[in-house]
Amino acid sequence: QVQLQESGPGLVKPSETLSLTCTVSGASISSYYWIWIRQPAGKGLEWIGRIYASGSTNYNPSLKSRVTMSVDTSKNQFSLKLSSVTAADTAVYYCAREITSGYYYFDYWGQGTLVTVSS
Amino acid sequence: QSALTQPASVSGSPGQSITISCTGTSSDVGAYNYVSWYQYHPGKAPKVMIYEVSNRPSGVPDRFSGSKSGNTASLTISGLQAEDEADYYCSSFTTTNTYVFGTGTKVTVL
Repeated sequence: QVQLQESGPGLVKPSETLSLTCTVSGASISSYYWIWIRQPAGKGLEWIGRIYASGSTNYNPSLKSRVTMSVDTSKNQFSLKLSSVTAADTAVYYCAREITSGYYYFDYWGQGTLVTVSS
Repeated sequence: QSALTQPASVSGSPGQSITISCTGTSSDVGAYNYVSWYQYHPGKAPKVMIYEVSNRPSGVPDRFSGSKSGNTASLTISGLQAEDEADYYCSSFTTTNTYVFGTGTKVTVL
């Protein structure tokens, strides 16, 4: 049973950096792309970016200048950093696993964690 | 990249069929058959219902089906049930190795 669990501060001050970690259990982080997605309140899902175990990344062009993703294979974790946050970054953040190998979809998701940007 | 366009809401009575459209461009929906659909109940993790335009993962009822024509993909729910009431999002892989989601559709079972 593959499980993903997001963790990190629920409150971040404006202009600071949002940091989240996703811990994966039941699967090796070494064989897939790993994804961050967010949903601001009352809005739709937004793909933030993805990272492979090798460290290869792709980011949403609208967030690319502020996003950094990393992976720690020894801990089976991957992380998201979003810099210079504003109230517009307040959202529920999800981590997920991407199935590639010709299919390209997200099969396992975390439960999501709410991050509020406020002073 | 712009979000894929979906109707804000669709409704139907139990037993009826509904279809949700998802319109993109030649750089996403029209480029590949990598369109997927997700069911989302607020407070829960999204669940994939369709992948690669028309494939159902194990455990998804066969009343869910998908198709695509040009830059528009569609999700059809046949024999609508009360438990199908949720938000639905399409997603597409793009020519720049990114993903884009649809604007989301709220399905109401009358």
